[in-house]
Amino acid sequence: GAVVSQHPSRVICKSGTSVKIECRSLDFQATTMFWYRQFPKQSLMLMATSNEGSKATYEQGVEKDKFLINHASLTLSTLTVTSAHPEDSSFYICSARDAASGSLNTQYFGPGTRLTVL
Amino acid sequence: KQEVTQIPAALSVPEGENLVLNCSFTDSAIYNLQWFRQDPGKGLTSLLLIQSSQREQTSGRLNASLDKSSGRSTLYIAASQPGDSATYLCAVGGSQGNLIFGKGTKLSVKP
Repeated sequence: GAVVSQHPSRVICKSGTSVKIECRSLDFQATTMFWYRQFPKQSLMLMATSNEGSKATYEQGVEKDKFLINHASLTLSTLTVTSAHPEDSSFYICSARDAASGSLNTQYFGPGTRLTVL
Repeated sequence: KQEVTQIPAALSVPEGENLVLNCSFTDSAIYNLQWFRQDPGKGLTSLLLIQSSQREQTSGRLNASLDKSSGRSTLYIAASQPGDSATYLCAVGGSQGNLIFGKGTKLSVKP
């Protein structure tokens, strides 16, 4: 149980285009999903916290107009990188918190999406 | 601002060795601490979670300790195997459910 999927697993796009990444909780309901970004040899950095039915909360330094997050259902959150540039190339990982879990920090992680912007 | 540091950044050991990975954090006001495993290009697998009131957790060949007052945690791996090769991440959890990660220790266990 507690599986989180991400799609696509890998995407290459041209500079200036937009890319949408999906994060799905397959066998549980996730009221909260988190989006992380990981540059080579760096820590996972939290970008934003996504709550179902409300606006996402972005971490300091993350542009909310560039990284659009939609959490329209209890099993799906999407991250859209708008007008992507080469510096947005990174590994994007989502995680989901089980709504039924009593532990705040029990997050289940997706396999990640490798974004390369040419 | 909480900062998490992991030492060493990389470690290579022969199969069968016992080893220790270190994690330190600057703010002792944590909710819990977790150790994760990350395989190349993959997501994270949770290994052990230690609540702030606990001193250690064990799972199979893994043992994690927590000394909150000194801001340290260690992950002990007994009788290492080539399948243990991965990057191990330490993350401290805040009261709001947020996780702050270290950069990880890349472990290579050679047959």
